[in-house]
Amino acid sequence: SAVISQKPSRDICQRGTSLTIQCQVDSQVTMMFWYRQQPGQSLTLIATANQGSEATYESGFVIDKFPISRPNLTFSTLTVSNMSPEDSSIYLCSVDPGQGTDTQYFGPGTRLTVL
Amino acid sequence: KNEVEQSPQNLTAQEGEFITINCSYSVGISALHWLQQHPGGGIVSLFMLSSGKKKHGRLIATINIQEKHSSLHITASHPRDSAVYICAVRKLGDYKLSFGAGTTVTVRA
Repeated sequence: SAVISQKPSRDICQRGTSLTIQCQVDSQVTMMFWYRQQPGQSLTLIATANQGSEATYESGFVIDKFPISRPNLTFSTLTVSNMSPEDSSIYLCSVDPGQGTDTQYFGPGTRLTVL
Repeated sequence: KNEVEQSPQNLTAQEGEFITINCSYSVGISALHWLQQHPGGGIVSLFMLSSGKKKHGRLIATINIQEKHSSLHITASHPRDSAVYICAVRKLGDYKLSFGAGTTVTVRA
């Protein structure tokens, strides 16, 4: 299994500012994912972050708004830039340990409120 | 139409009751996940299934690949089981998950 931690666990931010969310895994993993869960909605994939390459963004998400770093196999960051109230969501980090397991583990989430 | 459909959307039960949540999907899959999300937001992976049945404590998950259907059962439900339960599938040849809308379960003492 993989244990994932996220920082911060929650934050309240002002419109127009940016917030960087950190995701730390206790083991090396190839694939890391960032999800957004808007209030009352299910999870939506923002991007896939692989170490050593640019993140792959899903339709509707762009790098300027959600820049992602993946400096090594255990860590990633997601920045929510120039925030608006519509960005108020839970942001979740997830990992796929690979090796043909089909398993995916999720972090505790970061609850973001933008005023 | 969503590739993953869950029912019911909401469910309220009395403590001790047997609970069933259903998940139907319309695509070929390599695996199906049942996830639990508590009000704090964090998600716990309960089961990953590719065939048959799995049991963990009071939770049982089944999948019928031919019918493209899975069920999550909670026996002897308890208020601490109150959470959102989410079905997610990994499509064949894809690494991404497709999620159902979730089922909100409330268990009353």
